[in-house]
Amino acid sequence: EAQVTQNPRYLITVTGKKLTVTCSQNMNHEYMSWYRQDPGLGLRQIYYSMNVEVTDKGDVPEGYKVSRKEKRNFPLILESPSPNQTSLYFCASSSGTSGRSEQYFGPGTRLTVT
Amino acid sequence: AQSVAQPEDQVNVAEGNPLTVKCTYSVSGNPYLFWYVQYPNRGLQFLLKYITGDNLVKGSYGFEAEFNKSQTSFHLKKPSALVSDSALYFCAVRDRGSQGNLIFGKGTKLSVKP
Repeated sequence: EAQVTQNPRYLITVTGKKLTVTCSQNMNHEYMSWYRQDPGLGLRQIYYSMNVEVTDKGDVPEGYKVSRKEKRNFPLILESPSPNQTSLYFCASSSGTSGRSEQYFGPGTRLTVT
Repeated sequence: AQSVAQPEDQVNVAEGNPLTVKCTYSVSGNPYLFWYVQYPNRGLQFLLKYITGDNLVKGSYGFEAEFNKSQTSFHLKKPSALVSDSALYFCAVRDRGSQGNLIFGKGTKLSVKP
C-alpha cells in the first residue's frame, strides 16, 4: 500500500530536549515536505526537499532541521524544542519536482512541549 | 509573495443542497491550484487540482472546482452535499515558477446537517 508514515504519532516532551520525528514514504517520490498545522493558521511549510541531499527552507524553518540522506526518509529534528513548537506536524511527499503533482500526507504527529 | 485566502471559517449546508467553499489566491505568475480535505484526526487527502486546460476541474467524491483567472479564484463546489462531506477543506497554491513552496489557506470547516 502506498503510504507516508510518521513516528511517533503523539509526543510530549520538555523544553530543550532534542527530538526527531521520522517520516518515510514507499512511493519513490522525489519531493518531501514538512508542515505544521495550528488552529486559525492552516498549514505552514517548514522545510522541503526536492531530492536526496537537496533541502530548502519553507515559511517557518526557525528551530527546525531536516536531512535527506535517503530518498524514502525525511526526518524532522528539533534540537532544542520550545513551547511555541507545540503543534500538529505533517509530512508529505509527491512525485517529480515540477510542482504539478498532488501531495500524499502522513497521519500527523501531535507534539506537546512543556 | 504568494498567498491564499479562504474567506469563510465555516460553511453550513443542509444535506442535498449545493455547497461552495471559496478560495482566492495571489501569485506573481501562473498558478497550480489544489484542494485538500482533512477528516477529524486524519492527514490531508487530495481532492482535485488545476494545472492547465479546462477551467472546470472534476475531482474525488463528486467535487469540482472552477479556475477563474480574472477573479483569481478557485472555488470548490458540489451539487448535492452529504453529511459525510463534513470536514476541513484547504485550498493551496504554487507559483509555476516556484518548484518548492506550496502555500495553504487557513481552511474552511464544512458542516452538512441532515
